[in-house]
Amino acid sequence: AQSVTQLDSQVPVFEEAPVELRCNYSSSVSVYLFWYVQYPNQGLQLLLKYLSGSTLVKSINGFEAEFNKSQTSFHLRKPSVHISDTAEYFCAVRGSSGGSNYKLTFGKGTLLTVNP
Amino acid sequence: GAGVSQSPSNKVTEKGKDVELRCDPISGHTALYWYRQRLGQGLEFLIYFQGNSAPDKSGLPSDRFSAERTGESVSTLTIQRTQQEDSAVYLCASSFGGSGEKLFFGSGTQLSVL
Repeated sequence: AQSVTQLDSQVPVFEEAPVELRCNYSSSVSVYLFWYVQYPNQGLQLLLKYLSGSTLVKSINGFEAEFNKSQTSFHLRKPSVHISDTAEYFCAVRGSSGGSNYKLTFGKGTLLTVNP
Repeated sequence: GAGVSQSPSNKVTEKGKDVELRCDPISGHTALYWYRQRLGQGLEFLIYFQGNSAPDKSGLPSDRFSAERTGESVSTLTIQRTQQEDSAVYLCASSFGGSGEKLFFGSGTQLSVL
């Protein structure tokens, strides 16, 4: 079984400032890691994912996350945020193999609010 | 439609009543998931359908909860004799194949049990 901890429930920042949303996970097996984003009045959508290979993964809108196995972390970062990045961000994990590897375990979410 | 559609978007019911929530996945998506999100909590897995395989019901919290899926199309989640602790947002997601690498979520049904 896996678990996910998102330490910050809310992160307010000013526009053009850098941001880091923290995610730590626990698992007894190898994992795949995901960040999903939920914009206001929309469903969750995949932002980026780590499956294998390079530990640094990037999204099309400037976010990046780095898989750190020794620290069991998958923090999400952006060097300069925009008002349009205001949303709730969910970190998720699943096992990379095994019979129930379709089952995602989600964190509680971090609400990122970007202020002008 | 192009996305996952859920109905109703909001449901208010009295304690003890039955409710039925509907999910219409993206056409061609063989896998369908139901999750529940209580206020201030993460998404909680409820049930998983993949093609004609037996569903994974391991996340259903009690026998008051049941779900069905007709082939690879519409799914309904039924909650019998609703309780106040059932109040939550119920989210449906679908994916192409059962690998779970990219889920497409609906906007959810906000269920309030009075």
